[in-house]
Amino acid sequence: DTEVTQTPKHLVMGMTNKKSLKCEQHMGHRAMYWYKQKAKKPPELMFVYSYEKLSINESVPSRFSPECPNSSLLNLHLHALQPEDSALYLCASSRGQGNQPQHFGDGTRLSIL
Amino acid sequence: AQTVTQSQPEMSVQEAETVTLSCTYDTSESDYYLFWYKQPPSRQMILVIRQEAYKQQNATENRFSVNFQKAAKSFSLKISDSQLGDAAMYFCAYRRNTGANSKLTFGKGITLSVRP
Repeated sequence: DTEVTQTPKHLVMGMTNKKSLKCEQHMGHRAMYWYKQKAKKPPELMFVYSYEKLSINESVPSRFSPECPNSSLLNLHLHALQPEDSALYLCASSRGQGNQPQHFGDGTRLSIL
Repeated sequence: AQTVTQSQPEMSVQEAETVTLSCTYDTSESDYYLFWYKQPPSRQMILVIRQEAYKQQNATENRFSVNFQKAAKSFSLKISDSQLGDAAMYFCAYRRNTGANSKLTFGKGITLSVRP
């Protein structure tokens, strides 16, 4: 069982659709992360939230819009995605200090038609 | 900028044998942490082991141990008594000790297969 829960596990959407990915953790972690991962590649950092504030945006296109409604919840809103955005999207959380590992969820497998 | 290098894309090991996965990194920092993550086909990234740069003693977690050579900037993972469940992609990762905004820099990963 994972302590970071991501929904949905799979998502297929057209390029004109709007959808959201959800991530939840109840470990009291104050840092949350979104990663994008292509097959057989390492995860690529997209966004970092620290104490519910966006602290890092790795020059991600505006068709990806993150949101952190509270300390336990992280959303990623998707709109007008491109086929190259098809990937595994991983959420992670950590206590925040550099020595604390990031705990990952199972990811959402996203396919853009 | 920090870089993490895993030069072997694939490795194979016989069940019950020992295998070592190599990793090197480059940094000018003195305060940092190193991690090995495992990602099986089920997709979840699982922390295997971590090492604080200021500690000389190599970290150990059950069948998993590291050989941390700070001067050589090397951080290899040894898996003893390999099991079928160890088959996965393994990522070496580096992180500076600067709080939540410190990025986790991953290597390219290595695919480990375990032969029964």
